Amino acid sequence: NAGVTQTPKFRVLKTGQSMTLLCAQDMNHEYMYWYRQDPGMGLRLIHYSVGEGTTAKGEVPDGYNVSRLKKQNFLLGLESAAPSQTSVYFCASSRQGTANYGYTFGSGTRLTVV
Amino acid sequence: KNQVEQSPQSLIILEGKNCTLQCNYTVSPFSNLRWYKQDTGRGPVSLTIMTFSENTKSNGRYTATLDADTKQSSLHITASQLSDSASYICVVSAGTGFQKLVFGTGTRLLVSP
Repeated sequence: NAGVTQTPKFRVLKTGQSMTLLCAQDMNHEYMYWYRQDPGMGLRLIHYSVGEGTTAKGEVPDGYNVSRLKKQNFLLGLESAAPSQTSVYFCASSRQGTANYGYTFGSGTRLTVV
Repeated sequence: KNQVEQSPQSLIILEGKNCTLQCNYTVSPFSNLRWYKQDTGRGPVSLTIMTFSENTKSNGRYTATLDADTKQSSLHITASQLSDSASYICVVSAGTGFQKLVFGTGTRLLVSP
């Protein structure tokens, strides 16, 4: 089982460039999430989705957009990258977003904006 | 403000020794507490999930405790192995509907041969 797969694993962008991070899960999970992890800080939620065709803002949504056209895929877009978006991005999925359902995380995308 | 604080920030122990990591939280309304292991360059992997009514849960050599009254949790690792070298993240889930996860900054553990 692949679980949650993120592509790419590494990327360097110039300020102002755009890119899309892809997350794919094969567990038929309803909920999907995008987090960023920065040194000295806990993971912070960027956007999430409670099902195909839905998206919602998390704690730090500014500068990012998302789409969930298919249940198994959750895309994170940066329209105009800024150095403050240098981070490690993690995608996660869960069967539901309530009660005690565990989250499965991908292995991350390390993004550097120069 | 919902917060999760972990101590120590980092820890070095000898292979075979035991260790205990601490987590204090101020999260309301509390739903559950999770411990994750994150290897370098990888995503977090769940070790345990505990609800309000559970005060201990084990997963192999990992044992988590929860004191909901004092809002403290600990993760005890027994007979450490080199593969235990990782960051351990305490996560508290808040809310009664869609649950918001509040992440600690982690304890970085190095097991030395």
